[in-house]
Amino acid sequence: EVQLVESGGGLVPPGGSLRLSCVGSGFVFSDYAMHWVRQVPGKGPEWVSGITSDSGSQGSAPSVRDRFTISRDNAKNSLFLQMDSLSLEDTALYYCVKDYRTSMPSLYFFDSWGQGTLVTVSS
Amino acid sequence: EIVMTQSPGTLSVSSGERATLSCRASQSVGRNLAWYQQIPGQAPRLLIFGATSRATGVPARFSGSGSGTEFTLTISGLQSEDFGVYYCQQYKNWPPLTFGQGTRLEI
Repeated sequence: EVQLVESGGGLVPPGGSLRLSCVGSGFVFSDYAMHWVRQVPGKGPEWVSGITSDSGSQGSAPSVRDRFTISRDNAKNSLFLQMDSLSLEDTALYYCVKDYRTSMPSLYFFDSWGQGTLVTVSS
Repeated sequence: EIVMTQSPGTLSVSSGERATLSCRASQSVGRNLAWYQQIPGQAPRLLIFGATSRATGVPARFSGSGSGTEFTLTISGLQSEDFGVYYCQQYKNWPPLTFGQGTRLEI
């Protein structure tokens, strides 16, 4: 069974930083692209950032570009999101999400989600 | 950025009936379209990918159709567990991968 466990969320003031982590199990982590998707309660999901299985390609939403950095450590089955210059609009539940396709040089769609870690940006 | 627009915003349907949800893309995405169901308090669940292919374990009453810019998710013989919010998502062009704003299905 695929499991994705996020950590690192919390309360941070505007302008602050956080680093989210996700550990995957139940699948060959190094074979799949991975993503961060966030959701404000009552709103739709928003793709934040994604990275291919070999870290060869990655991308981020315009709203976080130049502030958030996605990375992964396949040896530790881990995905990370470094979030800098946080603003009130970044408050959301952040999900670690597994891509559906195996060992592809692109990003596609999402077949497994973690339970999320809550990020609250407030003074 | 490809903008995904879903309609209607809310759909009220009785058990046993058919529900038809629509998704429109601002430019062609071919068949690079997925559908998700989200029940309150849970993460989204993949239903359909490639516009028409059901994900593992998804009941046959869920079907997807369309290509290019117009897509439809049809749920036949609605059951009580089908309530929730449904989202479409394109994966033709990125960044960014984009979702529609959702259709709330009330049983």
